[in-house]
Amino acid sequence: GAGVSQTPSNKVTEKGKYVELRCDPISGHTALYWYRQSLGQGPEFLIYFQGTGAADDSGLPNDRFFAVRPEGSVSTLKIQRTERGDSAVYLCASSSGLVTDTQYFGPGTRLTVL
Amino acid sequence: KNEVEQSPQNLTAQEGEFITINCSYSVGISALHWLQQHPGGGIVSLFMLSSGKKKHGRLIATINIQEKHSSLHITASHPRDSAVYICAVSLGGATNKLIFGTGTLLAVQP
Repeated sequence: GAGVSQTPSNKVTEKGKYVELRCDPISGHTALYWYRQSLGQGPEFLIYFQGTGAADDSGLPNDRFFAVRPEGSVSTLKIQRTERGDSAVYLCASSSGLVTDTQYFGPGTRLTVL
Repeated sequence: KNEVEQSPQNLTAQEGEFITINCSYSVGISALHWLQQHPGGGIVSLFMLSSGKKKHGRLIATINIQEKHSSLHITASHPRDSAVYICAVSLGGATNKLIFGTGTLLAVQP
């Protein structure tokens, strides 16, 4: 079946602009994670959804970052007033929701803020 | 100090060599994951383990919970094994978020 998909694959924007990044998880997966990977680093946790609710948003760096998952499937990560330091690959992962389940990763969205 | 440390950061090997990548962690975990990331590609889960040893093809992963240490071994390495290998730990609980190491860049030369 289809894996996790993310759009766009690349996004270039100017400092101060607003961007939205989309994640389509594997069908039926209730758990959805957003991570951010800066160049040369491992991914860092941003936010976790169980169903429609953000169960843990402790990784969001500041209030310019926000994410939604209104119907419990597709999620959108929103970044306001982008800064050059936001440039990174944004990864989405989904799992069945069981604590023991593997997380399946999407290909990521490479965000470049000029 | 990072909660998950990997070594080496970079590794170059000749085709056919036996490869070991190490991971140490400093927090209590529910499981440890080994992941593979190809340049420009997504992340693929190789292993998830909470004790002992797992084997899949030429890949072997071991974990020592008491020492908070894990190793990923690749036997009979091949150029197609070239990738970044990432160790991550899940803390369990309600979130089960992953904390990642910085990765090991492996290049296997023919």
